[in-house]
Amino acid sequence: SQQGEEDPQALSIQEGENATMNCSYKTSINNLQWYRQNSGRGLVHLILIRSNEREKHSGRLRVTLDTSKKSSSLLITASRAADTASYFCATDEEGYSTLTFGKGTMLLVSP
Amino acid sequence: KAGVTQTPRYLIKTRGQQVTLSCSPISGHRSVSWYQQTPGQGLQFLFEYFSETQRNKGNFPGRFSGRQFSNSRSEMNVSTLELGDSALYLCASTPTGTSTEAFFGQGTRLTVV
Repeated sequence: SQQGEEDPQALSIQEGENATMNCSYKTSINNLQWYRQNSGRGLVHLILIRSNEREKHSGRLRVTLDTSKKSSSLLITASRAADTASYFCATDEEGYSTLTFGKGTMLLVSP
Repeated sequence: KAGVTQTPRYLIKTRGQQVTLSCSPISGHRSVSWYQQTPGQGLQFLFEYFSETQRNKGNFPGRFSGRQFSNSRSEMNVSTLELGDSALYLCASTPTGTSTEAFFGQGTRLTVV
């Protein structure tokens, strides 16, 4: 079963704008990760944030984690058309290796 | 270094048939996990193998099975295919399977007719 939900389900923006996606989850986690998927292909890992971290940056990506609210957000700054993809959050629990994915946010960045 | 390789990329099978999908992980990775992705259910965990042993299993019927070989390559098998088994099957590899990013293959698109 799905661990949580991403919000919004779909997001359409113009190049240069920022895109923010949110993820909520239900159980205690060890890590939270964000992945990108282009049109039915494999998933590409973007960033991992541990449960004892609150914020992490990687290039144009900024991830926050609020364990008290069981939520995370992914911010993509200065979006490009190439960022068009589906974005998924995934959680894993302490001692378990399996990832539980949300339903994803479809991001469309128009030139 | 080479990424995760899944074969075949596309498959069309008939209801009632069986199918075997293959996954070669990144060299040195010992953990291989399988996921099913459908529009309705999203990404769901099937099972994970580590050092030739099934370490975790998702909530799928016994028609779904898998194995891992000594070189860490993994296969999954689906017997008595149903229309609802049509999906993108993704394989992911990690060095040990815990607390780290997963590397995914491009997936096998299975269509059951």
